[in-house]
Amino acid sequence: DAGITQSPRHKVTETGTPVTLRCHQTENHRYMYWYRQDPGHGLRLIHYSYGVKDTDKGEVSDGYSVSRSKTEDFLLTLESATSSQTSVYFCAISEPTEYKNIQYFGAGTRLSVL
Amino acid sequence: GEDVEQSLFLSVREGDSSVINCTYTDSSSTYLYWYKQEPGAGLQLLTYIFSNMDMKQDQRLTVLLNKKDKHLSLRIADTQTGDSAIYFCAEPEGGGADGLTFGKGTHLIIQP
Repeated sequence: DAGITQSPRHKVTETGTPVTLRCHQTENHRYMYWYRQDPGHGLRLIHYSYGVKDTDKGEVSDGYSVSRSKTEDFLLTLESATSSQTSVYFCAISEPTEYKNIQYFGAGTRLSVL
Repeated sequence: GEDVEQSLFLSVREGDSSVINCTYTDSSSTYLYWYKQEPGAGLQLLTYIFSNMDMKQDQRLTVLLNKKDKHLSLRIADTQTGDSAIYFCAEPEGGGADGLTFGKGTHLIIQP
C-alpha cells in the first residue's frame, strides 16, 4: 500500500463519542486525502491537505475535522460520531504535477457507529 | 460537482474479454484513471490515460478514450478469476490536485 498505514483498521464506537483516525505515510508526499466509501456512493472526498497545516474541505466535510502537524501524518476526527458516519475510510497520498494526480491508497479503516 | 457514471455489475466468462464503461462530465479533465479494489482492500491504481490520447495498452489492459462523448472504457483481455474485483473510473475534481471524483464502481463477476 505504497508506504501508507491507516490506524486503527477496525473500530466500533457509540454515537456521540469522539473518534480519531490516523493516516501515516513514509513517502514524503505533499498531498494527503481522506475519503469515505459507502455502498451506492463510491468514494467521496471528505478533506484533503496540501502541506503541513494546510487543509481544505471536500464534498462531504460536515461532521469531520482534520489536522496535519507533520508531513507524514494526517488525522481525521469525528467530534461526535453519528450512525451516518458508519463507513469505510480511506486515506490517499499523492505528489501532483500540473496535470497528473495519481493517488495511492491505504488499506482502509472500517468504522461502525452504534 | 462532477458526476462519473458506471454500470454497477458486469458478468463475464473466464477467458472472455471484459469491457467496463464509464462516462465523465468535466471536458477539461487532463488525466483519467482506473482503479481496482479487491475485497477488504484499498484501491490500487490500474492504469491512467492522458486526454490527448485515444488509446493506451498495457499487457491485458486496454483503455479507450472518446473525448467527444466523454466516454472511457477499460478492456481486460482473457479475464481470469483474479480479475474479480470492483473497478473504479476517476477524474480530477476541481483544480486537479483537489482530489478525484470516482464513479460508484463496477463489480466484475467471473463465471467459470
